[in-house]
Amino acid sequence: EAQVTQNPRYLITVTGKKLTVTCSQNMNHEYMSWYRQDPGLGLRQIYYSMNVEVTDKGDVPEGYKVSRKEKRNFPLILESPSPNQTSLYFCASSLGYRGNNNQPQHFGDGTRLSIL
Amino acid sequence: GNSVTQMEGPVTLSEEAFLTINCTYTATGYPSLFWYVQYPGEGLQLLLKATKADDKGSNKGFEATYRKETTSFHLEKGSVQVSDSAVYFCALSDRGDYKLSFGAGTTVTVRA
Repeated sequence: EAQVTQNPRYLITVTGKKLTVTCSQNMNHEYMSWYRQDPGLGLRQIYYSMNVEVTDKGDVPEGYKVSRKEKRNFPLILESPSPNQTSLYFCASSLGYRGNNNQPQHFGDGTRLSIL
Repeated sequence: GNSVTQMEGPVTLSEEAFLTINCTYTATGYPSLFWYVQYPGEGLQLLLKATKADDKGSNKGFEATYRKETTSFHLEKGSVQVSDSAVYFCALSDRGDYKLSFGAGTTVTVRA
């Protein structure tokens, strides 16, 4: 089954304790992205990756890191989490630009992070 | 830059009522337009899309038409069901730019 898998689904942690949220897709997609969802703000892009070893900042990258060492994985790293990073996080992937159109993004089920 | 403005909710309807969620956008290029749906506890799923002016996207009884002259992509369904209760997001991406710009989302609740 084609899917984007995120882990963990829920995490409560404390300020300053490094954490990693994993994301894996089995569709051989080139493009992957991380979003955070906050009430009244919709989804905002944190980082994205066009392919292996190619990453770039989205709209709200401060406090986050990513890596893309393999095509299927795109972990999100919070080196020193703070309470303002408490949010619902989504990973997404797509084929990118095909047939003169942007292909739809496929989303994981989300990771709810609470930073105390 | 790109932006999406959608009707604020929450919206509460009775079963079989007509649903409209307004969405307007600003974009610098020739965007593709999307509606995504998020059911409780789940990630976003693509509901429908349109890639050029006057295209109509449709799926599961929902429809939206890409109107370039009014920069709009309103979502409609003629007869909603309880199972349509969800959060609906309008989104766009410019051609060749993979980033999705989302609206704030509209929560829809359908009562039996």
